[in-house]
Amino acid sequence: QVQLVQSGAEVKKPGASVKVSCKASGYTFTSYDINWVRQATGQGLEWMGWMNPNSGNTGYAQKFQGRVTMTRNTSISTAYMELSSLRSEDTAVYYCARDQDTMTFDPWGQGTLVTVSS
Amino acid sequence: QSALTQPRSVSGSPGQSVTISCTGTSSDVGGYNYVSWYQQHPGKAPKLMIYDVSKRPSGVPDRFSGSKSGNTASLTISGLQAEDEADYYCCSYAGSWVVFGGGTKLTVL
Repeated sequence: QVQLVQSGAEVKKPGASVKVSCKASGYTFTSYDINWVRQATGQGLEWMGWMNPNSGNTGYAQKFQGRVTMTRNTSISTAYMELSSLRSEDTAVYYCARDQDTMTFDPWGQGTLVTVSS
Repeated sequence: QSALTQPRSVSGSPGQSVTISCTGTSSDVGGYNYVSWYQQHPGKAPKLMIYDVSKRPSGVPDRFSGSKSGNTASLTISGLQAEDEADYYCCSYAGSWVVFGGGTKLTVL
């Protein structure tokens, strides 16, 4: 079945960077864009950006421009999201999700908790 | 890139129907037929319930339906069941980005 499996929880200090992975299985990895969405505790969903695994092209939400980088390794069907210059407000669960088409996200990864604390 | 507007909470009794609204602008909801809805239970990842305004993925009960009028999209859940209690988020394509609603907590009384 189509599945996205993300890397485990991370604890980082302010100013550091974090890199979250998202391994795809059950479909051709290069055929669908991967999007990243985050959710702070008790808050709503916030879209961060997309990446085309075939071309490597990306598009980022204005809020994260300059701090986020989305990449991939097609040989292992894995997408990555790296967020730099972390601050406490970046503490959240980060999700990857496959874009079926028309920015329709299905399925989603299980989520990765990133905690930013000194 | 402002969030779409959803009611913070709605409620209904088992068997009843509820509708959750999602209001945006002509740059997002009103400009494209690319509105989707996600259900999220506590501690779980979101699940796609409706896409392209009114299409239902396989496996989603036909009790869930979507519609749109102008800049407002709606999710209707008929024949409410206990397991429908969850948070619901709308989402819209907005040209170069994607915007989510703030989320609505559905309580089944």
